[in-house]
Amino acid sequence: QVQLVQSGAEVKKPGASVKVSCKASGYSFTNSLISWVRQAPGQGLEWMGWINPYSGNTNYEQKFQDRVTMTTDTSTSTSYMELRSLRSDDTAMYYCARDGYNNGWYSDYWGQGTLITVSS
Amino acid sequence: EIVLTQSPATLSLSPGERATLSCRTSQSVSSNLAWYQQKPGQAPRLLIYDASSRATGIPARFSGSGSGTDFTLTISSLEPEDFAVYYCQQRSNWPPFTFGPGTKVDIK
Repeated sequence: QVQLVQSGAEVKKPGASVKVSCKASGYSFTNSLISWVRQAPGQGLEWMGWINPYSGNTNYEQKFQDRVTMTTDTSTSTSYMELRSLRSDDTAMYYCARDGYNNGWYSDYWGQGTLITVSS
Repeated sequence: EIVLTQSPATLSLSPGERATLSCRTSQSVSSNLAWYQQKPGQAPRLLIYDASSRATGIPARFSGSGSGTDFTLTISSLEPEDFAVYYCQQRSNWPPFTFGPGTKVDIK
């Protein structure tokens, strides 16, 4: 069965960086895409970007363009999302999701989420 | 960037009632729209993709319709486990793949 298992919660100081991992299993890692979505406490969902594990190509939401890097390691079927220059408003749950193709790319399986808290 | 609006913000209904949720996009996304359900403390779950196709394992009481800029998620008869927040997301040709603000379905 498809599973995405994310790394554990972290507390970071403003200005620091964080790198969240997402280990995939149960499907061919290079045949799908990985999206990253975040959710601030009590707020809605925000799409951050995606990566094609086969090619390494990425596409980031413009507001994160200068601070985010998404990568993959195909040898371990793991995707990473690094966010730099953290601010208090980056405090959120961060999700990875597998994007499968069904007449379009849709996030059909999700990780359990990783809580990132930014606080001095 | 395509902006999504959802209405109503909150829908208060009783088990067994029919729920009708609306999602509108600021420009046409053809049928490239998904619906997700999220319960407290859980990750979102894909319900509907391509505007009207049910995802794997989703009960038949969930149905989606619409194309272009106007979309609807219908839950034909609410079960206790259906009380949750529902988000739409557009998946048109180009990112960013924006989400709507959500509709909360709560128990009346």
